[in-house]
Formats: sequence, structure tokens, C-alpha cells
Amino acid sequence: DVKVTQSSRYLVKRTGEKVFLECVQDMDHENMFWYRQDPGLGLRLIYFSYDVKMKEKGDIPEGYSVSREKKERFSLILESASTNQTSMYLCASSFLVGGAYEQYFGPGTRLTVT
Amino acid sequence: DQQVKQNSPSLSVQEGRISILNCDYTNSMFDYFLWYKKYPAEGPTFLISISSIKDKNEDGRFTVFLNKSAKHLSLHIVPSQPGDSAVYFCAASVSFQGGSEKLVFGKGTKLTVNP
Repeated sequence: DVKVTQSSRYLVKRTGEKVFLECVQDMDHENMFWYRQDPGLGLRLIYFSYDVKMKEKGDIPEGYSVSREKKERFSLILESASTNQTSMYLCASSFLVGGAYEQYFGPGTRLTVT
Repeated sequence: DQQVKQNSPSLSVQEGRISILNCDYTNSMFDYFLWYKKYPAEGPTFLISISSIKDKNEDGRFTVFLNKSAKHLSLHIVPSQPGDSAVYFCAASVSFQGGSEKLVFGKGTKLTVNP
């Protein structure tokens, strides 16, 4: 079974703090992704990575950065947290199955910025 | 602009009946379409997919239909069960450089199956 784990299920941070969200997958997948999910907005892609040390901006990268130093680990960084970054953050990794890349998601981190 | 649209934010059906969730897309370059199911406080889980060269894919109670000319796909759940109550996301896959890919998600449809 593919396992994607995220460092925290719930996190409360103050405005202006630097926040690290960690994601680890155990299946040697090349591709990893960070999304945020907000009511009525679905899943929006923040950043993704298709190889170690490679990163690509998604649809809403502003206010975020990422790090991928090892294949299994993909970190999302909020340099200076703001209240509009309160959200559910979801990490995923993907692999090719029968022609389609299936993404496997972690359980999510519910971040509240006060 | 929204490339993948799920126009119904919610759907309610009776247990045992058919649930039909709809999805429209605008980009002809999408090569795969996927459906994900999400329970509250959990990550989405993969349900079923369909290649852009097919028009139907079936897996147990779940069938996905693709109408390329209309740029429309639908997920049918028969028979619906209370445990199917969740948010369903339609997603489309687009290839990226080096053979990688990314998914574009719709906003989701909340399905409620009433006992």
C-alpha cells in the first residue's frame, strides 16, 4: 500500500511565523504535490516537484516555497504566515498506472493562522 | 479560468438509487480523467479513471462515461449506499515536461445518500 504521511494533522500558528509542513512518501514516486483545499474552491495546486531538487509553480504559489532535498520528502514552507493561509493542506505523490498517473494523498494538515 | 467544472455543489439521492455526478472541461489536451472521493478530515482517495481515447470505464458499482465531443464526463454509482456520502472531485490530467503530469481539479460535488 502506498503511504503518504504529513507531519501534523492540526497546526495553529501566529501571523508572521515561519511554518514548515512536511510530507513523506514511501513508494519511491518521482512526482510530489502540495495543494490547499478551501470550501467552494476545490483543490488548488500550490507547487509540485517531478524530481529531487526540482520544483514547479502551481496555480497559487504566492506566499509559499518548497524544498525537495530527498526523493521521499517534499516540504511546504510559509515564509511569513498570514490569516488568508488558514486552510487544509494536502500532499500527494503519483505514479504511472495503466497510462494514467494516479495521485495518492496524505491525510491533510489543517492549518489555522491567528 | 476554470478548466474543470463541477456545476452541482451538492446532490442528494436515496439509498439503492443511481447517483450521477457530472463534470465539464474546456481543455482538449487533457489525456486522462479521474474521480476522487473525499471524506471530511481525510485526504482524497482515487476512485476510477478513464483515458481520453475511451468512452466508458466500469469498476464494480462505479462507471465513468466520457463524451469527448461535448467535453463532458459523468460518474454513475449504482446502487448508491450511505457510505458513498462524500465529496467527489473530478480531475483531468495534463502532461508536463519530462513525462511528468499534473492534475486540474473541479470544485467538488457533495453527495449525500439517504437511508
